[in-house]
Amino acid sequence: EIVLTQSPGTLSLSPGERATLSCRASQSVSSSYLAWYQQKPGQAPRLLIYGASRRATGIPDRFSGSGSGTDFTLTISRLEPEDFAVYYCQHYGRPPYTFGQGTKLEIK
Amino acid sequence: QVQLVQSGAEVKKPGASVKVSCKASGYTFNNYYMHWVRQAPGQGLEWMGIIHPSGGDTTYAQKFQGRVTMTRDTSTSTVYMELSSLRSEDTAVYYCARDLIGDSRGFDPWGQGTLVTVSS
Repeated sequence: EIVLTQSPGTLSLSPGERATLSCRASQSVSSSYLAWYQQKPGQAPRLLIYGASRRATGIPDRFSGSGSGTDFTLTISRLEPEDFAVYYCQHYGRPPYTFGQGTKLEIK
Repeated sequence: QVQLVQSGAEVKKPGASVKVSCKASGYTFNNYYMHWVRQAPGQGLEWMGIIHPSGGDTTYAQKFQGRVTMTRDTSTSTVYMELSSLRSEDTAVYYCARDLIGDSRGFDPWGQGTLVTVSS
């Protein structure tokens, strides 16, 4: 099983700033089967990024993903008020599918 | 538009079973796996298992082996997740989410979630 560790646990930033979220895997993630999700309180998760760097349909271009192997990053270039939420990385493509523990992005 | 609509909230006693449904619409049902993921209050996301829509083949997370059963009804494009021998730790929101067969691009979209509360 691939264990995903996200850092930091909480990130406090202001609107307009740049956010950098990290996800480290316990072993190499094949074919970059790494996704990022955003979850707001009381809502289901929403897919942002798949294949480590591909934006899902309708996702603004201020969201970008990068990385390969065991180290992945989600970057939000200029934070909008609606971006403050919890973000999860995920290994997919073959079971067992696993999620990181999440990074809470809060308003400073 | 693509929609996954789940059944309503449930309250169950310890030891009972619960069956949650997820009705798909707006796409070709047989072209997408369906996953179940749960989220305990204030906690992260936990993958439970996957079902192939046409053949009905399933793979379950080891943690739930022997307690979970996923089935589907192709005539209504509905998948079901049944969890037995419920305990308080099973109190969570349960989500279904689809996954493209043969070209996986993550889980998209997700159902709205079904809250299952286990309490005596």
